[in-house]
Amino acid sequence: KNQVEQSPQSLIILEGKNCTLQCNYTVSPFSNLRWYKQDTGRGPVSLTIMTFSENTKSNGRYTATLDADTKQSSLHITASQLSDSASYICVVGSGRGGYNKLIFGAGTRLAVHP
Amino acid sequence: NAGVTQTPKFQVLKTGQSMTLQCAQDMNHEYMSWYRQDPGMGLRLIHYSVGAGITDQGEVPNGYNVSRSTTEDFPLRLLSAAPSQTSVYFCASSLLRDTEAFFGQGTRLTVV
Repeated sequence: KNQVEQSPQSLIILEGKNCTLQCNYTVSPFSNLRWYKQDTGRGPVSLTIMTFSENTKSNGRYTATLDADTKQSSLHITASQLSDSASYICVVGSGRGGYNKLIFGAGTRLAVHP
Repeated sequence: NAGVTQTPKFQVLKTGQSMTLQCAQDMNHEYMSWYRQDPGMGLRLIHYSVGAGITDQGEVPNGYNVSRSTTEDFPLRLLSAAPSQTSVYFCASSLLRDTEAFFGQGTRLTVV
């Protein structure tokens, strides 16, 4: 069964600190891995998309890594800000024919405190 | 650009009622999809479309219908609402199969 597991479920950090969120997946066939940020009451917003051949991608203070051999990904947030408080969702794209079905993790809820 | 627009933002239905959740995108995207988000779970795919006139079922299609008569619009119909359909519904679109998916702001539906 295709699954995406994220850890931790929730995390509290102080403003200015760094943090790393984890994602393990068992999805086949693998097409790509995405990280999304979801603010409360809003839709998810894309942070990064990585294909099989990419092992790191950055978007400002967000850096995602991918190890396709161990089927693990991480999202590192540098110098956190209050606006980083949100849920971060790991999503794996599974290509079957003409449509890339997205399999979502349950998310990590991050709270950044002053 | 408005992106992906969903209406309504909130809705309360009685069991057995029917309604349509609207989704429109102005980015000329071929791929559109509907998801539901329940507490403690990842988003689950209800139905998707790879272009006008083409739709297919996702992971949890029962109780929902879709149609895609134009590239821009992808409405989701609840045929006979049940309390188990209480959820937050998101519509998404993408240009190509492996490109970024853009999500609407969601519709919070409560069935009583």
